[in-house]
Parts: sequence; structure tokens; C-alpha cells
Amino acid sequence: AQTVTQSQPEMSVQEAETVTLSCTYDTSENNYYLFWYKQPPSRQMILVIRQEAYKQQNATENRFSVNFQKAAKSFSLKISDSQLGDTAMYFCAFMTLAYGGSQGNLIFGKGTKLSVKP
Amino acid sequence: DSGVTQTPKHLITATGQRVTLRCSPRSGDLSVYWYQQSLDQGLQFLIQYYNGEERAKGNILERFSAQQFPDLHSELNLSSLELGDSALYFCASSVEPRETQYFGPGTRLLVL
Repeated sequence: AQTVTQSQPEMSVQEAETVTLSCTYDTSENNYYLFWYKQPPSRQMILVIRQEAYKQQNATENRFSVNFQKAAKSFSLKISDSQLGDTAMYFCAFMTLAYGGSQGNLIFGKGTKLSVKP
Repeated sequence: DSGVTQTPKHLITATGQRVTLRCSPRSGDLSVYWYQQSLDQGLQFLIQYYNGEERAKGNILERFSAQQFPDLHSELNLSSLELGDSALYFCASSVEPRETQYFGPGTRLLVL
């Protein structure tokens, strides 16, 4: 069974600074996606970024980028130029692409609560 | 706005009751997923549908059931409610099971 671990329950960063959130996962599969979702105080789940396991290049979306280390099963999220609106819970999630009952289901970590301070 | 809609936004009910949560996926999405977010269990996958057919079940209780209708909207039925069922229930949709999921705003259920 796949598992996702976020070892930092809470983090804080000053506005305009850079912060990195950690995520590790465990799987025996080779074909999967990894995601970061953001949940602000409104509780809406918002997609931040997606990484395909078959791609060596790290995904980027504006100020958000990932460091994907497949062999180490590590998937960290870097937020550059942090803004007050980045304050939220951040969830790392795994999705297998292997055919079967688990295909497409998201497995989430417990989340990291990020506070951006002015 | 993800394009996924859920109703109602809030629901307060009593133990032993039954409720129905509704979800409309994004236009063009055939897959619908239900997740439960609680303080104890975090975010957990409940059930997945694809084009009207059930594809996968996760940690869904026998008191819970769901279906996806021909117009692709989905309903999650929760019966014999217990205090522990209080949670935020999310619906998500994707084009097909191996694509990115977009979440609705959730239904906050409080069982008293």
C-alpha cells in the first residue's frame, strides 16, 4: 500500500522569503503522479502543482516549484517570494496510474500548516 | 472556482438521521470521487465513479452509499448518522481516472 508522509506539521515564513515543504512517499510502483494541494482557511482544496513520475524535469508553476527525487521517494514544494495569500494547509498527494482498484484515487499526507508573516 | 459544485454547503442533523450530499462535476469530466476530511482521519478517499459505474471503494462505511447518474452528477448518501461522521465531505472530478482531480467547495456536515 502506498503511504505519504509530511513530517512538518507547521511552518512559518516571512513575506517575500522562500520556504520548502517536505513530503516523502512509499510505493513499489513506477508509474504515478504526485500533487501538492493547498487548503486556505476557506477550506477549498486548490491544486498547486503536479509532477509525473516518468518526467525527470521538476514541475514549476509561477512561484511554486518542486524537487522530485524518484529514487529517494521525495517530493518537496518550494514557494518563492511568499505572499500572505499563501497562508494555508498544504497537502502532498500520490496517485497511482497502474490499472486496478486504486487507479486515480488520491492518497494524502496529513498536511503542513504554513503561515506567512508580514 | 474549480467548476465542481456541491450542495448543500452546510448540513446540521441529528444522530440516526440520513442525509444526501450532491455533486456536479466540471463540464466534460466523467470521473467523480468522494473524500472525507476529519480531524481524526485526515483526508480519506471514499468512492470513485466513472461514467456512471462504480470503479473503486476506499474507506467507506456500509452505512454510506453513492451513485453517479446518467447526467454525471453524483450523490453520497449517509445513513444512521453518528457523531463521528461529522466532517467535511469533498467531491472531486477529472476527465478520466488517470487525470488531475479538481475539488468542489465541500459540504460541512455536523451531526449533533
